[in-house]
Amino acid sequence: ETGVTQTPRHLVMGMTNKKSLKCEQHLGHNAMYWYKQSAKKPLELMFVYNFKEQTENNSVPSRFSPECPNSSHLFLHLHTLQPEDSALYLCASSQRQGTHYEQYFGPGTRLTVT
Amino acid sequence: GENVEQHPSTLSVQEGDSAVIKCTYSDSASNYFPWYKQELGKRPQLIIDIRSNVGEKKDQRIAVTLNKTAKHFSLHITETQPEDSAVYFCAASRPNFGNEKLTFGTGTRLTIIP
Repeated sequence: ETGVTQTPRHLVMGMTNKKSLKCEQHLGHNAMYWYKQSAKKPLELMFVYNFKEQTENNSVPSRFSPECPNSSHLFLHLHTLQPEDSALYLCASSQRQGTHYEQYFGPGTRLTVT
Repeated sequence: GENVEQHPSTLSVQEGDSAVIKCTYSDSASNYFPWYKQELGKRPQLIIDIRSNVGEKKDQRIAVTLNKTAKHFSLHITETQPEDSAVYFCAASRPNFGNEKLTFGTGTRLTIIP
């Protein structure tokens, strides 16, 4: 699969577990994003990295911890999650941050917190 | 911050008819308005966008109109086809020195009835 890939595609975890979501883009982009998609809610921006620097943290609880080691990879580390954190987590990338640059989305990780 | 409202939440139209989805935004400084299409089980994809220096933009059967005074914009799909069935999201963004971010609406599930 080319473009933006995410692993795992599905994840079930208990509230005391620690897990990580991975996103990789093969487009040569420099900006990467994490979004949360819940039923009947807007896509919520969580974090933005532009040239590996975090430029946005949209008041996300500290149980979500992003990491961007390089422009091609983005991680979301999860710990002590709550059932309301169950959602589809989408990664996206763009050439750089800014509205002149289209965001390309990955397929998402469906997360269920039990 | 920006607030984007989208209506209707669900829409069913007969194949061949037109569909219109409307969004309103709160931040008068917003100047970029993209529309994303998300087919069932797939990732969101940009289908059309408009900037505040124009009032209308067309791409084949899809058009977007913008009324800056009223702070609303709409997606128009003509001659609808079964493959138009999807969830459509509007979004808005204001200038922010290269650190722009998208605020999304809640989505409209469009069903084309054969």
